[in-house]
Amino acid sequence: DIQMTQSPSTLSSSVRDRVTITCRASHSVGSWLAWYQQKPGKAPKLLIYKASTLESGVPSRFSGSGSGTEFTLSINDMQPDDFATYYCQQYNTYPYTFGQGTKLEI
Amino acid sequence: QVQLVQSGGGVVQPGGSLRLSCATSGFTFSSYPFHWVRQAPGQGLEWVAFIRYDGSKIHYADSVRGRFTISRDYSNRTVYLQMNSLKFEDTAVYYCAREASADFGAEYFQHWGQGTLVIVSS
Repeated sequence: DIQMTQSPSTLSSSVRDRVTITCRASHSVGSWLAWYQQKPGKAPKLLIYKASTLESGVPSRFSGSGSGTEFTLSINDMQPDDFATYYCQQYNTYPYTFGQGTKLEI
Repeated sequence: QVQLVQSGGGVVQPGGSLRLSCATSGFTFSSYPFHWVRQAPGQGLEWVAFIRYDGSKIHYADSVRGRFTISRDYSNRTVYLQMNSLKFEDTAVYYCAREASADFGAEYFQHWGQGTLVIVSS
C-alpha cells in the first residue's frame, strides 16, 4: 500500500497568514493527488485534484503543487473559515490512501 | 444539484450485520463510480470500497474484504454497503462518495454524502 504522510499534524496560525502543508507518498503517485478540507461533524470537501487543479468554487487563496512523492497545499491570506482539518489522498493505486490529516488551529 | 443522502447506520453487536444506503439524485447515476470511506471517532479518513459505474469492477480495503459488499441499484439510483461480521474496530462514520467522472484521471471524490454513524458495541 502507498503510505501518505502529512506534516505537520497540527499547525497554529492566524488570520491573514500564509500556511503550507506537506504530503509525502511512500511511492510515486504521479499527479494523482487530491486535497480535502473537513470541518467537525461534516463530510470532507474537495479542494484540489490532480495535485494542483483548483476545484470549481474553491477560493483562489488555496493552491497545490508537487508531483511524484512530494506535494504541498498552501493557503494564502488565511480566513476564519479556513480553520479546519486538511487531508491529502492518492488515487493512483488501490487501496486509495489518505494522509493522517493536518489540523489548522487559531 | 448533486445529492447523496445516506441512511442505515446504527448500533449493532459484534458479529452482526448492517446495510448502509446512499440514495442519489441530480445526475446520471449509471455514469459514475462510487466509493465508501469511513472515519473512526477522532481519527482520519480510511477508504473502504469502490464500485465502477457499470458495476464490473469492485475493490475493497484489506480490513473489510470478505465481510463487506458494495453494490448498486440502477433503478433506485442507490449505492449500498452490506456489512457483515462486524467488529468493534468497524465503529466509524461512513461516507459514500462519488467520483468526478468515469474518465481516467477523475477518480477523486468530488461529491460526498452526509455520513452515517455505525457503532459496534456489546
